[in-house]
Amino acid sequence: QVQLVESGGGVVQPGRSLRLSCAASGFTFSSYGMHWVRQAPGKGLEWVAVIWYDGSNKYYADSVKGRFTISRDNSKNTLYLQMNSLRAEDTAVYYCAELQLPWGQGTLVTVSS
Amino acid sequence: DIQMTQSPSTLSASVGDRVTITCRASQSISSWLAWYQQKPGKAPKLLIYKASSLESGVPSRFSGSGSGTEFTLTISSLQPDDFATYYCQQYNSYLWTFGQGTKVEIK
Repeated sequence: QVQLVESGGGVVQPGRSLRLSCAASGFTFSSYGMHWVRQAPGKGLEWVAVIWYDGSNKYYADSVKGRFTISRDNSKNTLYLQMNSLRAEDTAVYYCAELQLPWGQGTLVTVSS
Repeated sequence: DIQMTQSPSTLSASVGDRVTITCRASQSISSWLAWYQQKPGKAPKLLIYKASSLESGVPSRFSGSGSGTEFTLTISSLQPDDFATYYCQQYNSYLWTFGQGTKVEIK
C-alpha cells in the first residue's frame, strides 16, 4: 500500500543542523512532486518546501529560505530536508506530503538549548 | 502568496447537526482547494479535493462546494467521529497555503 515514512527528527540545539528523510513505497515516487509541511505544537499546518518530480525545481517558504534544502533520490524512493541554522521557531512535526497520497506519521524536531 | 482565511476558528455542535465551515482565498484559485481532517496526535487526512471531489473512503456526509475565492465544507449530519480540526488548503500554486483551522467541538 502507499506509504510515506518520515524519520530523522530529534532534539537539536539552536544553530545546529538536522536532515530529515521520507521513505516512499507503494507508488511510483519518481512521478510525483513532493512537499514538506510542518506543524508547530498546538498550531496549524505550514507549508515548507516543494520539489519537482525530477528534482529540477525547488521552492521554499520565506520562513526557511536560505536555511533549508529539499532534495530527493529517486533511485532510493526517498525525499530529504536538510535543515541548517535551526531556530526555536522551527520546532514542529514535519510531514512529507503530496495531495492525494496518505500523509505519514511525521517526525518531531525540537530545537532547544 | 495566496492567503487562506477560514471561519469560524471554533465551532460547537451536537451529534446530528449540519455543520458548515467557510474558507476564503485572497485571490482566485479556481477549484484547486482541498479539505483535511486532523485528530490530536494524528496526520491530516484528505477529505475533499478539487473543491468538491470526495476522496475515496470518505463518508458521503462530507461535501465541498465553491470556486474562485469562496469555498465551504459541509458535514450533513455530524457524527461522534467527526469532532476534529479541519483545514482548507489551496494548491493553485505549488506554494501551498493552509487555512488556520476550524476546531469542531462537542456542544
